[in-house]
Amino acid sequence: SQKIEQNSEALNIQEGKTATLTCNYTNYSPAYLQWYRQDPGRGPVFLLLIRENEKEKRKERLKVTFDTTLKQSLFHITASQPADSATYLCALPLSGGSYIPTFGRGTSLIVHP
Amino acid sequence: DARVTQTPRDKVTEMGQEVTMRCQPILGHNTVFWYRQTMMQGLELLAYFRNRAPLDDSGMPKDRFSAEMPDATLATLKIQPSEPRDSAVYFCASGRDSHTDTQYFGPGTRLTVL
Repeated sequence: SQKIEQNSEALNIQEGKTATLTCNYTNYSPAYLQWYRQDPGRGPVFLLLIRENEKEKRKERLKVTFDTTLKQSLFHITASQPADSATYLCALPLSGGSYIPTFGRGTSLIVHP
Repeated sequence: DARVTQTPRDKVTEMGQEVTMRCQPILGHNTVFWYRQTMMQGLELLAYFRNRAPLDDSGMPKDRFSAEMPDATLATLKIQPSEPRDSAVYFCASGRDSHTDTQYFGPGTRLTVL
């Protein structure tokens, strides 16, 4: 089955810089990959979805890339703000024939003013 | 602004007691998921319903957990008997039946079993 790896160490950056988070997966390439944001005490909130035939997706200050050769997705937040501080999780289908997403453990982002 | 609602938000109980958690999915959504989140394991899928039918509950301990959807507006997750290792935050999520299953999460139920 699919394994998802996200950096367990928190990412600390200064306000205004670009934050880059990584999601690596093993085994087969999924049909899509999702990114969610989770704030303390709340449920995850969907941010972006990228399909296997898309290299890049953008939404406001967010950008996601999907490299099926490297089996990796990068999640970028440009011009980061303290309000962007949260845990970011990637999710992708459990197995080749499934559309149910499995979540990574998430990476905590801390943006310092 | 449609949201998934969950009750209770917090539950403290003693080992051996029955716990029932409830979820109201977003109107019009026909997929419902139950997850458990802990620091050690992250988000684990417990059960998955489509059109009220259980499609996947392989992540759920069958001896003590049960999940149902009595109707389209209510999903329940029961633990009987509860154990301290069940302490976690339980999330319900709903979605439209699509090939990408983007999920809308509720606020969660924080369960503490003493």
